[in-house]
Amino acid sequence: AQKITQTQPGMFVQEKEAVTLDCTYDTSDPSYGLFWYKQPSSGEMIFLIYQGSYDQQNATEGRYSLNFQKARKSANLVISASQLGDSAMYFCAMREGQGGSEKLVFGKGTKLTVNP
Amino acid sequence: EAEVAQSPRYKITEKSQAVAFWCDPISGHATLYWYRQILGQGPELLVQFQDESVVDDSQLPKDRFSAERLKGVDSTLKIQPAELGDSAMYLCASSLGGMSEQFFGPGTRLTVL
Repeated sequence: AQKITQTQPGMFVQEKEAVTLDCTYDTSDPSYGLFWYKQPSSGEMIFLIYQGSYDQQNATEGRYSLNFQKARKSANLVISASQLGDSAMYFCAMREGQGGSEKLVFGKGTKLTVNP
Repeated sequence: EAEVAQSPRYKITEKSQAVAFWCDPISGHATLYWYRQILGQGPELLVQFQDESVVDDSQLPKDRFSAERLKGVDSTLKIQPAELGDSAMYLCASSLGGMSEQFFGPGTRLTVL
């Protein structure tokens, strides 16, 4: 079973508008972390925002915020005031537990296109 | 600003040949990861090092792939022999460990002909 599900293969948004990219996750571990990365066409993965499972408040980083709904197991990324440079692939990822492997499990990504 | 370095950025090879990729993590990062990203998918972990020790290589095809981090700093990932299905982006990342963010390098885009 997929641990990270991103149901939107592609999204379009007008410049200066807000957009929400969906992410649902599956885990039975009470301790986990959720990450969002941006991947431009050049290929590098750029860290955007992190949410811990025990964090009481939704994470925010500049124009990025994470709408964390623990009971629904969702961690949607909200980008406010979209810019042309936001056009890229966006990946949601999860790390489970405190010990052992610290690998990130990624979703399949959402391709965001910002239109002028 | 400190970055993860990778080389080469692009590699084209013929099947059955050997290829090697190099990664230099951010200074002070004890944890190093190699991921493979097939076109249209998210990255998948191949191997994780803590210092010079392998922590997780459960997804590494050990019949043809090998990875080392001899001095606990830079790392090399090797494929021998390369197969057509190995065409992908190979990403290296490093972190301080735990739930801290993983910083990724620019990747090596491999094409096997």
